[in-house]
Amino acid sequence: ETGVTQSPTHLIKTRGQQVTLRCSSQSGHNTVSWYQQALGQGPQFIFQYYREEENGRGNFPPRFSGLQFPNYSSELNVNALELDDSALYLCASSPRVAGSTGELFFGEGSRLTVL
Amino acid sequence: GDSVTQMEGPVTLSEEACLTINCTYTATGYPSLFWYVQYPGEGLQLLLKATKADDKGSNKGFEATYRKETTSFHLEKGSVQVSDSAVYFCALSAPGNQGGKLIFGQGTELSVKP
Repeated sequence: ETGVTQSPTHLIKTRGQQVTLRCSSQSGHNTVSWYQQALGQGPQFIFQYYREEENGRGNFPPRFSGLQFPNYSSELNVNALELDDSALYLCASSPRVAGSTGELFFGEGSRLTVL
Repeated sequence: GDSVTQMEGPVTLSEEACLTINCTYTATGYPSLFWYVQYPGEGLQLLLKATKADDKGSNKGFEATYRKETTSFHLEKGSVQVSDSAVYFCALSAPGNQGGKLIFGQGTELSVKP
């Protein structure tokens, strides 16, 4: 069983640039969620995708956007990067089934540094 | 809104000491509760979970009991090892959440010395 994989693992951008992060969900999982983890903090929910549509969003501005593809993989796009966007971005997948307890399976993350 | 509060770290213990990391939550209804662990350089891994009041989750010698009356889910281990050094996150999933949104505490760093 293949787990959640993310790419790239590290990247450096400058203010104002745009970035795309990618995630492959665990086999059999049809829901993908993205989290931002600032240094020394807990992960913060950005949004969730199910059936290629955004299905729940946290307190993040519209310049954070995403996609989900038919194979359930996903992208996170951030436009007009700001210094505060520097963080570890985590992707997590889960099966969307009735009675789901909300357990998530996380990738190792993409470390974004904005200079 | 829903929230999770953990005791602040870092927590430094000697090997074989007892561990308790406090976690309290605020939520409507009966959320599911989780402890995730993040080892250095790795992603978050589920350590244990409990889905209803009075449930006890356990794994790798760690335990936590879902206490509805005190809205708590404290993590305990009777004898820690150096390999337990990591950051521990308490989290909740609101009722009706069909996967995706977890609310995390700020994390508690544990350092175990030989």
